[in-house]
Amino acid sequence: KAGVTQTPRYLIKTRGQQVTLSCSPISGHRSVSWYQQTPGQGLQFLFEYFSETQRNKGNFPGRFSGRQFSNSRSEMNVSTLELGDSALYLCASSLEPPGQGVYEQYFGPGTRLTVT
Amino acid sequence: AQSVTQLDSHVSVSEGTPVLLRCNYSSSYSPSLFWYVQHPNKGLQLLLKYTSAATLVKGINGFEAEFKKSETSFHLTKPSAHMSDAAEYFCVVRSGGSYIPTFGRGTSLIVHP
Repeated sequence: KAGVTQTPRYLIKTRGQQVTLSCSPISGHRSVSWYQQTPGQGLQFLFEYFSETQRNKGNFPGRFSGRQFSNSRSEMNVSTLELGDSALYLCASSLEPPGQGVYEQYFGPGTRLTVT
Repeated sequence: AQSVTQLDSHVSVSEGTPVLLRCNYSSSYSPSLFWYVQHPNKGLQLLLKYTSAATLVKGINGFEAEFKKSETSFHLTKPSAHMSDAAEYFCVVRSGGSYIPTFGRGTSLIVHP
């Protein structure tokens, strides 16, 4: 079974631009979560989707948004990029809805975003 | 409210010696606790999880962790370190209705030959 895939793996953008990152979950998984990882703040939860509905949202500004499609693939968008948005963005998928069962998550390799 | 504290930012061991990575948590609810490992330029991999079943949890690659409610701890151990264990380790707590995860700051495990 293929793992979680994220595209692109690396991205360089300029301040003020917007960016869209994509995540394809493991086949059959309907939960997708997004995380931001930086040296300064560590790993922080962005948002979480199940069956096309946002279930939870972390403490990030409205410039960060996401969505999930009917095939469970998910995208996150960051508008008006700032230098501080440079980070590794990780996506994770799970078979179960958030808060139910064991909720074991499988992570993708991440997208490395550099904002200049 | 929930939080997690990884007590050591770096742990250095020699190959073949025991590993202890410490994690304390706080939660107003019964928590689920996880340990993940991240190798350089890779995503996170689940090592083991505690979800209110057995307090001693066995994971992959010889790791295990013990949930101690009285000490609010969930320390990760391995009897004998291998060079391939060198990586960043994260302790994670989830609890409450929203089940939003809180990550520790990570512990970098260094294994010397």
